[in-house]
Amino acid sequence: GQQVMQIPQYQHVQEGEDFTTYCNSSTTLSNIQWYKQRPGGHPVFLIQLVKSGEVKKQKRLTFQFGEAKKNSSLHITATQTTDVGTYFCAGPSSGTYKYIFGTGTRLKVLA
Amino acid sequence: GAVVSQHPSRVICKSGTSVKIECRSLDFQATTMFWYRQFPKQSLMLMATSNEGSKATYEQGVEKDKFLINHASLTLSTLTVTSAHPEDSSFYICSALGVREKLFFGSGTQLSVL
Repeated sequence: GQQVMQIPQYQHVQEGEDFTTYCNSSTTLSNIQWYKQRPGGHPVFLIQLVKSGEVKKQKRLTFQFGEAKKNSSLHITATQTTDVGTYFCAGPSSGTYKYIFGTGTRLKVLA
Repeated sequence: GAVVSQHPSRVICKSGTSVKIECRSLDFQATTMFWYRQFPKQSLMLMATSNEGSKATYEQGVEKDKFLINHASLTLSTLTVTSAHPEDSSFYICSALGVREKLFFGSGTQLSVL
């Protein structure tokens, strides 16, 4: 079945450092979504990418969708303690609305 | 953004009892909702797709007789864990499919089976 992997699994950074998480799907995706889950909380939608090679920015966050639409990345510039949480990518299972979540990257930011 | 309400947020029950979890979309109609299970420090595992007015579709390995799903209206889906056992203890999260395929999540239910 479809698999969505993310690396790294964990990342500890000093506040102010940059952070990147990578997402790889075993199948081509029609779109990819990113979610953030704070400790003890539920996932919150961040963004959706649809086009091949698409790049979108949200303040310090930059999201990219690969040319082959099988991989994606999330880059955070100058991390802050509020960025702490687990970041998940999610892609739809082919031909359905079922979104398969990536393995997640847990980010800790040290003040 | 859209709001999805899920309750209870936490439930502790005895082994062998059944527990019902409700998921409501408060400000939009959701013909499709999803139920996920999440173990500590792990990803969300899709359990089933709940479709309003029809039977839920379950992912491979998920017992449909154990996890009963009902989606009786456009704003409410329920998950009933029947004859719960300690291995069913987990964090259960629902989500509703909104416009442009965005998923809006409930706040989750922590189930502890003694």
